[in-house]
Amino acid sequence: KQEVTQIPAALSVPEGENLVLNCSFTDSAIYNLQWFRQDPGKGLTSLLLIQSSQREQTSGRLNASLDKSSGRSTLYIAASQPGDSATYLCAVRPGGTASKLTFGTGTRLQVTL
Amino acid sequence: DVKVTQSSRYLVKRTGEKVFLECVQDMDHENMFWYRQDPGLGLRLIYFSYDVKMKEKGDIPEGYSVSREKKERFSLILESASTNQTSMYLCASSLYLSYEQYFGPGTRLTVT
Repeated sequence: KQEVTQIPAALSVPEGENLVLNCSFTDSAIYNLQWFRQDPGKGLTSLLLIQSSQREQTSGRLNASLDKSSGRSTLYIAASQPGDSATYLCAVRPGGTASKLTFGTGTRLQVTL
Repeated sequence: DVKVTQSSRYLVKRTGEKVFLECVQDMDHENMFWYRQDPGLGLRLIYFSYDVKMKEKGDIPEGYSVSREKKERFSLILESASTNQTSMYLCASSLYLSYEQYFGPGTRLTVT
């Protein structure tokens, strides 16, 4: 059974800092991996989708990398801003069962002034 | 932009009531999903639908049913609400099963 872990559960950084959020998964046979952002009490916003054949994907100040063999993905946020404060979730889609996402429990990020 | 809407942001129901949660998407997506989100447990898939009138159980379908009569609308039904169904319910849609999922704003359901 696929398990997805995100460590740390919470992170506080000063504005302007570059930071890395981690996601690890136990079964490396994945189809793709998706990173989301969730503001308190709100739904999820899709940030990046990275296919199993890709090493990384970029969108603005965000860069997601994927190392399937080691079961790890990272989300890099450059020049963090207070508006980046949210919970970041990663989710993996297993190979062979392309429909079901398995989610991590998230990293709650606070960017302080 | 994809828009997924949910009928209520907050809902309070009594134990034993029948509860309907509605989800509508406007991008002609084939697939729609219902999740619940609980602290410490993350998001868990309840049901999904890959076509009109087609559905498949997710990881925690017990106590729930779904209906998809039209492509754009996917309903989650709690036949007899119980207190352990108090949760945040999130609807999502995707064009194809392996594509990005887009989420609605969520419905926070409290069963008393």
